[in-house]
Amino acid sequence: KQEVTQIPAALSVPEGENLVLNCSFTDSAIYNLQWFRQDPGKGLTSLLLIQSSQREQTSGRLNASLDKSSGRSTLYIAASQPGDSATYLCAVVYNNNDMRFGAGTRLTVKP
Amino acid sequence: DTAVSQTPKYLVTQMGNDKSIKCEQNLGHDTMYWYKQDSKKFLKIMFSYNNKELIINETVPNRFSPKSPDKAHLNLHINSLELGDSAVYFCASSQDCGSRVTICNQPQHFGDGTRLSIL
Repeated sequence: KQEVTQIPAALSVPEGENLVLNCSFTDSAIYNLQWFRQDPGKGLTSLLLIQSSQREQTSGRLNASLDKSSGRSTLYIAASQPGDSATYLCAVVYNNNDMRFGAGTRLTVKP
Repeated sequence: DTAVSQTPKYLVTQMGNDKSIKCEQNLGHDTMYWYKQDSKKFLKIMFSYNNKELIINETVPNRFSPKSPDKAHLNLHINSLELGDSAVYFCASSQDCGSRVTICNQPQHFGDGTRLSIL
């Protein structure tokens, strides 16, 4: 069964802190993995996409890693800001064209 | 200029009715998608369509049907609405990779969602 799990479900940190969000998946036959953020009442914004042949991707203060063998991905956010407050979703696309989302991590960055 | 726009933003209707949600993208993308986000915030892909091929998630009831009048639009039609259809529906688009794998290594751009409530 192709499941995607995100831990923790919610995270609250003070501004300026570095943090890590975790995503795990049960099937290593993945095509790619994407990290999204979702603001309340809004759609998803794509942050980073890691292809199955890649180990990590970086964009600004964000760094996402992928370890297929262990079925894990992490999203690292450096020097967090209140504007980073949102729900972060991990989505895995499998080789069979199936796409699964995690339940998300709700991040709050306090000023 | 909204890249992916959905209308309406809110839709409240009675069980048994037929309704449609419209989606338009002005990004020149070749592939469009529909997702359902349930009350527990889980997102599930329903359809992907790239003007040549429609891929359907097998768990989607056949009461749901996507219609694409042109490359920039993918509307979602729902017949005989049921209480369990209440959810937020998201439209998305991406570039087409030109391979048989419809969901490809291109980031997806999402609309703001349509909240469907069935009375």
